[in-house]
Amino acid sequence: EAQVTQNPRYLITVTGKKLTVTCSQNMNHEYMSWYRQDPGLGLRQIYYSMNVEVTDKGDVPEGYKVSRKEKRNFPLILESPSPNQTSLYFCASSFLGQSYEQYFGPGTRLTVT
Amino acid sequence: QQPVQSPQAVILREGEDAVINCSSSKALYSVHWYRQKHGEAPVFLMILLKGGEQKGHEKISASFNEKKQQSSLYLTASQLSYSGTYFCGTYSYYGGSQGNLIFGKGTKLSVKP
Repeated sequence: EAQVTQNPRYLITVTGKKLTVTCSQNMNHEYMSWYRQDPGLGLRQIYYSMNVEVTDKGDVPEGYKVSRKEKRNFPLILESPSPNQTSLYFCASSFLGQSYEQYFGPGTRLTVT
Repeated sequence: QQPVQSPQAVILREGEDAVINCSSSKALYSVHWYRQKHGEAPVFLMILLKGGEQKGHEKISASFNEKKQQSSLYLTASQLSYSGTYFCGTYSYYGGSQGNLIFGKGTKLSVKP
């Protein structure tokens, strides 16, 4: 089954404790990205990648890191999480080009206390 | 450069029609539409490309006015299953490349029996 998977689905952590949210897709997509969703603000892109070893900042990259060492995986790293990073996070992937739809993962709800 | 959606919210009775608008301050190559139900990931509805090409949902139609940098999503004879938040998205690049995908803040649609 074609899908984007994210882990964990739910995470409660404390300020400053490094964490990684994994994202994996099995559709051989070149484009992968991370979004955060907050009430009233919609979906905001954090980082995106157009291929292995190619990443770029989205609208809200501060406090986040990503890496793209393999085509299928695109982990999101919070090296020192803060309470303002409490949010719902989505990973998405697509083929390269504006005529292709994004496939979203199920989401990760992160709470930083 | 976030696209602006209107209205912010709309309430319908089953069978009524609705139009959701998306406008941008910059030239657009494509407009993407997604629907998100509460607690779930966004799901692809429609892509409209410069030049008139469309791909997406059979029962939902949309228009793309390139000169006005606007797109509209038409929901006719609404069903209860149409309830959710609708997002339009545009890429930061004009042309075939993608770059940063920027979503509007969303339009919440509620369909009542």
